[in-house]
Amino acid sequence: EIVLTQSPATLSLSPGETVTLSCRASQSIGSYLAWYQQKPGQAPRLLMYDASNRATGIPARFSGSGSGTDFTLTISSLEPEDFAVYYCQHRSNWPFTFGPGTKVD
Amino acid sequence: QVQLVESGGGVVQPGRSLRLSCTASGFTFSSHAMHWVRQAPGKGLEWVTFITFDGRDTYYADSVKGRFTISRDNSKNTLYLQMNSLRPEDTALYYCARDVGGTRGNLLYWGQGTLVTVSS
Repeated sequence: EIVLTQSPATLSLSPGETVTLSCRASQSIGSYLAWYQQKPGQAPRLLMYDASNRATGIPARFSGSGSGTDFTLTISSLEPEDFAVYYCQHRSNWPFTFGPGTKVD
Repeated sequence: QVQLVESGGGVVQPGRSLRLSCTASGFTFSSHAMHWVRQAPGKGLEWVTFITFDGRDTYYADSVKGRFTISRDNSKNTLYLQMNSLRPEDTALYYCARDVGGTRGNLLYWGQGTLVTVSS
């Protein structure tokens, strides 16, 4: 099973700042990584898939990069609605797994 | 628009069984693979299981393999999760989810979840 590690666990930021979230895989997963945003009481929302593709309706301030074992999600100029928990998830092989999440508050 | 509505959650004793359902609308259900993902209270997301569009192939997380079974009835636009030998650690909000079209594992559409509590 591939283990995903996210860092940091929590980030305290202000609106307008730029944030870079990290996700590291225990072995190479190519570009098979997705990012999700989850707000309290809501289902997760797909932000990025296959490392760098924005999902439908996701603002351009969200961008993703990486391949192999190291991936990043960048949010440029944080908006108030961006404060949430962010998860990475791989689909390289079975079983799929999620990272533990990074809370942006 | 795409809608996924889970049902069947509740309180169940350890060792007992429960079946969850996910009713889909707004898309051609029989053309899409589906997943179940769960989230324990206050915890992160855990991928649980996957089924192909035709039900021929299924995959499971190690934590539920041999106890949970995913299935689907395309004539009823419904996905199921049969959960047997339930344990307290299975307590979670269970989501069904659908992939981005043409991919496997990019979970674009999610339901609102159904809560399963395993407790004596």
